[in-house]
Amino acid sequence: AQSVTQPDIHITVSEGASLELRCNYSYGATPYLFWYVQSPGQGLQLLLKYFSGDTLVQGIKGFEAEFKRSQSSFNLRKPSVHWSDAAEYFCAVGTSEYGNKLVFGAGTILRVKS
Amino acid sequence: SAVISQKPSRDICQRGTSLTIQCQVDSQVTMMFWYRQQPGQSLTLIATANQGSEATYESGFVIDKFPISRPNLTFSTLTVSNMSPEDSSIYLCSAQYTSGGIVNTQYFGPGTRLTVL
Repeated sequence: AQSVTQPDIHITVSEGASLELRCNYSYGATPYLFWYVQSPGQGLQLLLKYFSGDTLVQGIKGFEAEFKRSQSSFNLRKPSVHWSDAAEYFCAVGTSEYGNKLVFGAGTILRVKS
Repeated sequence: SAVISQKPSRDICQRGTSLTIQCQVDSQVTMMFWYRQQPGQSLTLIATANQGSEATYESGFVIDKFPISRPNLTFSTLTVSNMSPEDSSIYLCSAQYTSGGIVNTQYFGPGTRLTVL
C-alpha cells in the first residue's frame, strides 16, 4: 500500500523568505501526487497536482512542486512567502491501482513571522 | 474546480445521538468520499460513497456506525450514529473529477466540525 511522509510537523519562515515543504511517498509505480492547503477552520484547497509529464508543476498562489522519481519526493516550494500562507499543508498520493483513493501525509503547519 | 457544500458546518451533540451530514456537489461526479480528521490529525478515509449501491468502507469503519447514502451523482450523506466524545472530529466529503479522461482529481467540501459532549 502507498504511504506518504511529511517529515516536518512545524515550519516557521519569515515573510518574504523562500519555502520548501518536503513530501516523500512509498509506491512502486508513479502515483498521482497532490498538495492541499487547509486554513484554520476551513476545508482543503487543492494547490497543485502531478499526473505525468513535466516534473515541475505550477499551482495556485505562486506555489510549485517538483516530482523527483529517483528520490520518491514531491516537495512544495514558494520563492517568497506571504503572511496569508500560514496554514497547514498536506501532501497526498493516489493510484489507479487503489481506486484513486487518496492517502494523506501527516501535514506540515506553516507559521509566517513578520 | 468544483463547488462542494456541506451541512451543517458545525454541531454540538449529546452522547448517544446521531447526526446526518449532507454533501452537495455543483455537478455530476464519478466518485464521492468521506473523510474524518480528528483534532490535530491528518485525514483518514472512512468510505467511498457509491451511487446506487452500498458504500465501500475502509478498515476500522463499519456501516452500522457510519451509514452512507448516495441517491444520485451530486449528493451524499454521512450519518455518525450513537455518538461518543471520541467521534468529535471534522468530517469532510470530497468529489472526484475526471481530468483528461483520467479519474483522479479530488476536491473537498468545507467540512463539518462535530463536537460530542
